[in-house]
Amino acid sequence: DVKVTQSSRYLVKRTGEKVFLECVQDMDHENMFWYRQDPGLGLRLIYFSYDVKMKEKGDIPEGYSVSREKKERFSLILESASTNQTSMYLCASRLSNEKLFFGSGTQLSVL
Amino acid sequence: DAKTTQPPSMDCAEGRAANLPCNHSTISGNEYVYWYRQIHSQGPQYIIHGLKNNETNEMASLIITEDRKSSTLILPHATLRDTAVYYCIVRYPWGSQGNLIFGKGTKLSVKP
Repeated sequence: DVKVTQSSRYLVKRTGEKVFLECVQDMDHENMFWYRQDPGLGLRLIYFSYDVKMKEKGDIPEGYSVSREKKERFSLILESASTNQTSMYLCASRLSNEKLFFGSGTQLSVL
Repeated sequence: DAKTTQPPSMDCAEGRAANLPCNHSTISGNEYVYWYRQIHSQGPQYIIHGLKNNETNEMASLIITEDRKSSTLILPHATLRDTAVYYCIVRYPWGSQGNLIFGKGTKLSVKP
């Protein structure tokens, strides 16, 4: 089975800190995604990548950047964390046109 | 991608079939219907998808109406572990790489 691993399950950071959320998948998937999930708002797409060094903005990219230096790894970066970025962050991957596989999520709290 | 409408919550008795409806009246001809679920504190999990024919796998069955404007996910023998939020999504499987739009889903509670 595909495994999508997110580096941290829970993370607490301070306002203004630079935050790195790491995601690794083990099935050579081309496409990788970062979502955030907030109560009442469902899952919203932040960024996605369809190949190494390629990235595309999703619906809510402001305040975030991403990095994909290797096919298996997709990093989400919060350049200067703010309290409104407190959320559950979900990473996902898939082959070109197939189903998404999600990680277990990182619950980020920004104080 | 087409918008979907699902009831916010449903209850089901353990061992009975759970039938979760989804309306997608603006679906276009090449859009597929996907179902995912999310158990509390976990990432969403793929369940099943289909275009126009009914589909079945080890987890569930998907019934799509002939006009494709609605569908039903069936869990034939619900267990307590099936308690989760179920999301119905319609989209093209190719082309746009991202933007799998999750709505608010249906919170299914399976009760003993």
